Amino acid sequence: AQSVTQLGSHVSVSEGALVLLRCNYSSSVPPYLFWYVQYPNQGLQLLLKYTSAATLVKGINGFEAEFKKSETSFHLTKPSAHMSDAAEYFCAVTLSGGYQKVTFGTGTKLQVIP
Amino acid sequence: DAGVTQSPTHLIKTRGQQVTLRCSPKSGHDTVSWYQQALGQGPQFIFQYYEEEERQRGNFPDRFSGHQFPNYSSELNVNALLLGDSALYLCASSARDYLRQETQYFGPGTRLLVL
Repeated sequence: AQSVTQLGSHVSVSEGALVLLRCNYSSSVPPYLFWYVQYPNQGLQLLLKYTSAATLVKGINGFEAEFKKSETSFHLTKPSAHMSDAAEYFCAVTLSGGYQKVTFGTGTKLQVIP
Repeated sequence: DAGVTQSPTHLIKTRGQQVTLRCSPKSGHDTVSWYQQALGQGPQFIFQYYEEEERQRGNFPDRFSGHQFPNYSSELNVNALLLGDSALYLCASSARDYLRQETQYFGPGTRLLVL
């Protein structure tokens, strides 16, 4: 079984400040990890994914995440927040091997203050 | 290249009724998964279809059923609707890439309100 825990249901940052959204995972086998973003009244858009290659993963819109096995973490960062980054972010985990269900965290709402 | 599409976008039903939601996967994808996202929650896995068969199922009652057609499109059916079935229903499609790294791409969802 696999699970993810997102620390902080709401995060506020000033425009131009560092964005850090935290995600810890639990998995009995090597996981694949994802970050998705959801804007109001929309579906989920894939930001980035980790699939056992490079531990530092770069995604769209300037986001990146680092897989740390020793800490079972996959935190999402962006050096400088933009107003358009305000949305809800979901960390998700699945097992390698294909055709596995994806388990999502409860989400973190990011507010960007001008 | 069209992404994942879902219909309808919004739906209002009353308790006890039945509903059918539809999903067309991204071009080249052969697997469809359905998720329920209640307000303020993360998506919860309902089931996954591949080769017209249900391959995996989450912790949802039998009132939730589905189907996949030869063209890989899919339907989600919910019978005997309850107030608690009100949610955003998301469809995701996927396909194996050359490294067997499946990534799911989501549609915009169908928002179901049960009164």
